[in-house]
Amino acid sequence: GAVVSQHPSWVICKSGTSVKIECRSLDFQATTMFWYRQFPKQSLMLMATSNEGSKATYEQGVEKDKFLINHASLTLSTLTVTSAHPEDSSFYICSARSVDKNTEAFFGQGTRLTVV
Amino acid sequence: EDKVVQSPLSLVVHEGDTVTLNCSYEVTNFRSLLWYKQEKKAPTFLFMLTSSGIEKKSGRLSSILDKKELFSILNITATQTGDSAVYLCAVSNAGNMLTFGGGTRLMVKP
Repeated sequence: GAVVSQHPSWVICKSGTSVKIECRSLDFQATTMFWYRQFPKQSLMLMATSNEGSKATYEQGVEKDKFLINHASLTLSTLTVTSAHPEDSSFYICSARSVDKNTEAFFGQGTRLTVV
Repeated sequence: EDKVVQSPLSLVVHEGDTVTLNCSYEVTNFRSLLWYKQEKKAPTFLFMLTSSGIEKKSGRLSSILDKKELFSILNITATQTGDSAVYLCAVSNAGNMLTFGGGTRLMVKP
C-alpha cells in the first residue's frame, strides 16, 4: 500500500514555542491531505483539509492562526502549532489521498505533542 | 452535516468468539465507507466499500455495506488477542472528506 510518513513521531516543547509537523506521501501524489487531532480514548477529530497550492479549509472551532497548514507540493503538507500551550498536547495524525479521489486515505504514524 | 455512528462503543470477548461491529451513517453525496483498525498509533486501513451487498474479505475479517439502509458491518471470526484494538468507521463524501465515527473498542481476552 501507499506510504505516508509523518515526522516527528513525538516532540516535547516549552509553552510559547512553535512546533512544525511534516506529512509526506512517499510513493504517490496527494492532492488532499487531512490533519486530525486525537485525544486519549477518543476518535479522530478533523482539524483541517489542505489542498495542494491553496489555502487550507479549517473545521469549525479550529483556530487557523494557531494551527498553520501549508501544502506547498503534491507530496508534503506541514502543520505548525504556534505559541503552543499545554492544552495543545495531543496526538496529531495526518492522512493523504491520491489524485484518484475515491481511494482509501493513508495515515501517517502520528505525532505525539507534549507541551510543558 | 455528515454523521457516522458506531456501535457498540466497546466490547469484551474471549478468543475464538465471533464479533460484529456496526456503523451507520448519514452523508451528503456518499462516495465510500472505510474501516480502519487503530492500535497504539495511527489507524491502519482494512476495507473500502463502495457498493451495496458485495462482501469484502481479508482472512478472518469481512465487511459489507448496505447503501439503502445506510450502514455497514465488520465481522471478525475466531477472534484472537491481536484483534484487540479500536475499530474506526469513516465515510467519504464527494468532496473527498472523511468523517469518522467514534470507534468501537474491542478487547479479546485469552
